[in-house]
Amino acid sequence: DAKTTQPNSMESNEEEPVHLPCNHSTISGTDYIHWYRQLPSQGPEYVIHGLTSNVNNRMASLAIAEDRKSSTLILHRATLRDAAVYYCILMDFNKFYFGSGTKLNVKP
Amino acid sequence: NAGVTQTPKFRVLKTGQSMTLLCAQDMNHEYMYWYRQDPGMGLRLIHYSVGEGTTAKGEVPDGYNVSRLKKQNFLLGLESAAPSQTSVYFCASSYPRDYHTQYFGPGTRLTVL
Repeated sequence: DAKTTQPNSMESNEEEPVHLPCNHSTISGTDYIHWYRQLPSQGPEYVIHGLTSNVNNRMASLAIAEDRKSSTLILHRATLRDAAVYYCILMDFNKFYFGSGTKLNVKP
Repeated sequence: NAGVTQTPKFRVLKTGQSMTLLCAQDMNHEYMYWYRQDPGMGLRLIHYSVGEGTTAKGEVPDGYNVSRLKKQNFLLGLESAAPSQTSVYFCASSYPRDYHTQYFGPGTRLTVL
């Protein structure tokens, strides 16, 4: 089964960019790369997803390596509200591979 | 819109007891999902449904049953609870053409003694 590998934790200063890495060396051709985040005591929240090309939305950017074996979630200006656990997930409809996530701490 | 709601928020069961978790969504989503999250881990898919009257198994379906009698509701049942089912349960829903964007409920924390 495809798996994702993320650092356990990262720290950032408020209003600075944050780059959250994810390795998925066994990704299959039909797996989409998703990022969700989870605030304490809440359900996960969708952030962004992509297949091959880089993606941007109002929340973040997703940079996907050319070989698709790694990706990076970019928060352009971290705020205190961005402190959460960020999950990099491979998904192909009902196949859903969740890692243990990266806990992001944002310092004021 | 309330989004995705889950009932109850907390529950403590004894081994062997049964219970049903209710998930409701008011976004007219076709797809609904049940996940469990164990401490320090990501989510694992238990069962899912692609429409009223249809259900399918996910990654960890053993010990659970589900029903989707109405489009807006998805029920998760534990017939004989075991301590290994102590977890936080999340329900989610999505549109068929946009299953990438799932909307999650706040979760139900279940403890089985």
